[in-house]
Amino acid sequence: ETGVTQSPTHLIKTRGQQVTLRCSSQSGHNTVSWYQQALGQGPQFIFQYYREEENGRGNFPPRFSGLQFPNYSSELNVNALELDDSALYLCASSLGQSAFFGQGTRLTVV
Amino acid sequence: GESVGLHLPTLSVQEGDNSIINCAYSNSASDYFIWYKQESGKGPQFIIDIRSNMDKRQGQRVTVLLNKTVKHLSLQIAATQPGDSAVYFCAENPAWGANSKLTFGKGITLSVRP
Repeated sequence: ETGVTQSPTHLIKTRGQQVTLRCSSQSGHNTVSWYQQALGQGPQFIFQYYREEENGRGNFPPRFSGLQFPNYSSELNVNALELDDSALYLCASSLGQSAFFGQGTRLTVV
Repeated sequence: GESVGLHLPTLSVQEGDNSIINCAYSNSASDYFIWYKQESGKGPQFIIDIRSNMDKRQGQRVTVLLNKTVKHLSLQIAATQPGDSAVYFCAENPAWGANSKLTFGKGITLSVRP
């Protein structure tokens, strides 16, 4: 186990709705990254938070946003959900080069 | 654009044999590479990493080889076991100090025959 926990594990939302996913990082890890993994694909980098500030962003639209809290836990928010947002959302925490992943949240948009 | 990719989508090996999973990357500036294993319904699990100033690194039953000349990475698994069945991803970090903003390949499925 990596010590990275995500909630919820599964979620079903309707197109146009908003969703918030949560991640608790491994103890002592000050960096949290979020990834989107479509079925049959590798994870795609969404953005990263370091000490409560966004520290890099992948090729995702502004309706994907996030937060990091003083205890280094993090949220991923997605507004105006689209069908193509259906995916496994992964959180990874790190204190250096190696990222350790949680089990993911499976989001289904209908 | 830059990408990390795998040559083969699936690999089937006999239990007890050695497995070799290959990966090509295109970003010549990449400085750090990681292999992950992902089992069904789980997040990627760190296996082994290697920095660009090395060409080989060994772990428990696994070895990663890096050939920067041809931009090729491989993962060798010794004495493959049924528990090794999973999807394997190579990932690159653009620079040491870039703090894990990883680019992943599409993944290869390893199937171990009993």
